[in-house]
Amino acid sequence: GDSVTQMEGPVTLSEEAFLTINCTYTATGYPSLFWYVQYPGEGLQLLLKATKADDKGSNKGFEATYRKETTSFHLEKGSVQVSDSAVYFCALIPTGGGNKLTFGTGTQLKVEL
Amino acid sequence: GAVVSQHPSRVICKSGTSVKIECRSLDFQATTMFWYRQFPKQSLMLMATSNEGSKATYEQGVEKDKFLINHASLTLSTLTVTSAHPEDSSFYICSARERGTFFGPGTRLTVL
Repeated sequence: GDSVTQMEGPVTLSEEAFLTINCTYTATGYPSLFWYVQYPGEGLQLLLKATKADDKGSNKGFEATYRKETTSFHLEKGSVQVSDSAVYFCALIPTGGGNKLTFGTGTQLKVEL
Repeated sequence: GAVVSQHPSRVICKSGTSVKIECRSLDFQATTMFWYRQFPKQSLMLMATSNEGSKATYEQGVEKDKFLINHASLTLSTLTVTSAHPEDSSFYICSARERGTFFGPGTRLTVL
């Protein structure tokens, strides 16, 4: 079945460091891909998405490019801030899959001064 | 953006009791809501899809008699964990769809 694999955390970075959180997926066709963020004590929020190959989703300085050839959707940010500390979830909706999101296990990011 | 609330945010109960969790869409109507369960350091697992005015659709392996879902109105879905046991302790999250999927803040259930 469809699945999403994320790098294990926690990832600890210093402020202004470069961030990459890897995400790969297994699905047929062309799923829609998402990154969600969960700040402490809050619900998940959509961070960015991409719905077709080579699309780049971006928001709040974060970017991810839909790579069909490597079935990947890695999350990147050039300079992280302490306020970016959260858990990041990669997710997909399969082709024709309606509203059902399949999530990765989440990656906790800790940014220190 | 659309707001989804959950109540309560935390609940502690004794083994054998039932617990009801509410999920509300505050500023939009949601014909479909979703219930997820999140274990520590694990992914969100979809439990069921809640449809207003009809029976919920449960994912494989989820006991529908244990996790009762009622979607009584376009803004409210409830999840009742019946005869809760310690292994039901988890973080339960709902979401509702309205030109995008919006998540509630979650409910932490602890069964003693």
